[in-house]
Amino acid sequence: EVQLLESGGGLVQPGGSLRLSCAASGLTFSSYPMTWVRQAPEKGLEWVSTINGAGSSTNYADSVRGRFTISRDNSKNTVYLQMNSLRAEDTAVYYCAKLYYYASGYYFDYWGQGALVTVSS
Amino acid sequence: DIQMTQSPSSVSASVGDRVTITCRASQGISSWLAWYQQKPGKAPKFLIYAVSSLQSGVPSRFSGSGSGTDFTLTISGLQPEDFATYYCQQANTFRWTFGQGTKVEIK
Repeated sequence: EVQLLESGGGLVQPGGSLRLSCAASGLTFSSYPMTWVRQAPEKGLEWVSTINGAGSSTNYADSVRGRFTISRDNSKNTVYLQMNSLRAEDTAVYYCAKLYYYASGYYFDYWGQGALVTVSS
Repeated sequence: DIQMTQSPSSVSASVGDRVTITCRASQGISSWLAWYQQKPGKAPKFLIYAVSSLQSGVPSRFSGSGSGTDFTLTISGLQPEDFATYYCQQANTFRWTFGQGTKVEIK
């Protein structure tokens, strides 16, 4: 059974940094792209960033490009999200998710439980 | 980015009812559409992909249809565990976007 477990969330001041981790089990981790999706309080889902299985290709939402960095360590079955220059509007629950490829489309088939990031002074 | 618009934003229904949620894309996305269910305080759950393919373990009362820009999620015979918020998501590009969500509430 695929399991994803996020950690590293917490309270940080505006302008500060935080690194989220997502430890995966129950899958051949390096075979799958991984992604981060966030959800602000009482709001909908927003895709944040994705990394391919080898870690050689990444992409980002415009709202975080230049401030957030996604990476992965396939030896540790873990994907990371380094968040710098945090803003109040980055306050959200951050979910990591595994990508599922089917007929030229990528979908998010397994999700972690989420990590709450609060940006406030 | 492709914008996804769901309607209605919320719907009140009773157990046993048939519920239909609509999702419209701002441009054609062929059949690259998924649906997710989210309950309060929980992660989203993957329900349907490629418009109409049910993820393993998802009850057959859930169904999806559509193509191009207009899509629907139908729940036939609403069950108590189906009261939740539902999101559509386009998978046409590597810049995934979601609808704003439709909350299915108990009447």
